[in-house]
Amino acid sequence: GQQLNQSPQSMFIQEGEDVSMNCTSSSIFNTWLWYKQDPGEGPVLLIALYKAGELTSNGRLTAQFGITRKDSFLNISASIPSDVGIYFCAGQGPAGANNLFFGTGTRLTVIP
Amino acid sequence: DGGITQSPKYLFRKEGQNVTLSCEQNLNHDAMYWYRQDPGQGLRLIYYSQIVNDFQKGDIAEGYSVSREKKESFPLTVTSAQKNPTAFYLCASTAGPGSNTQYFGPGTRLTVL
Repeated sequence: GQQLNQSPQSMFIQEGEDVSMNCTSSSIFNTWLWYKQDPGEGPVLLIALYKAGELTSNGRLTAQFGITRKDSFLNISASIPSDVGIYFCAGQGPAGANNLFFGTGTRLTVIP
Repeated sequence: DGGITQSPKYLFRKEGQNVTLSCEQNLNHDAMYWYRQDPGQGLRLIYYSQIVNDFQKGDIAEGYSVSREKKESFPLTVTSAQKNPTAFYLCASTAGPGSNTQYFGPGTRLTVL
């Protein structure tokens, strides 16, 4: 199955800094989703994007669906310690069946 | 409260034994999924089911089996044929056709000794 190319793999930032991570795919996707996973827990949905060019915010989080439909990015502004975790992107292609393809994750560490 | 539950949270089994992981949802979702997650890696799809009494293999179905006898339940059996069963297993569900936002359960960590 396809896996998305997610970068960076890990980030160490100071509290208060902004964070940016992105995902790219060789295939066109109809939907992009961003999840956060805490250690030993299931991923929690942060933002869902359904249209090329769409820019959606959820509090300090902003995500965009790339115009080419092959990429997406997630920004976190003014990071806080509880932002620590692994962030996954996921995309769904036009083939249906509700199948999602997941990125390999970005591990975020926030230094107080 | 609506949601997806997985039990148990931690499971230990001896090598060669089959083990069944539970996944239940009360969201009235049609589609359910099982993923496997290994340390430092993304999620890999094992099996999925879009409707009761029907399911399809995902990318890594070998050594696993599932059933979907009820809409709210999608148990996963890890058989002795699975070469490397120790992993974190995640169950997810979506409302069905037209809805592709997956919601995840809390996961089960399986350790085979």
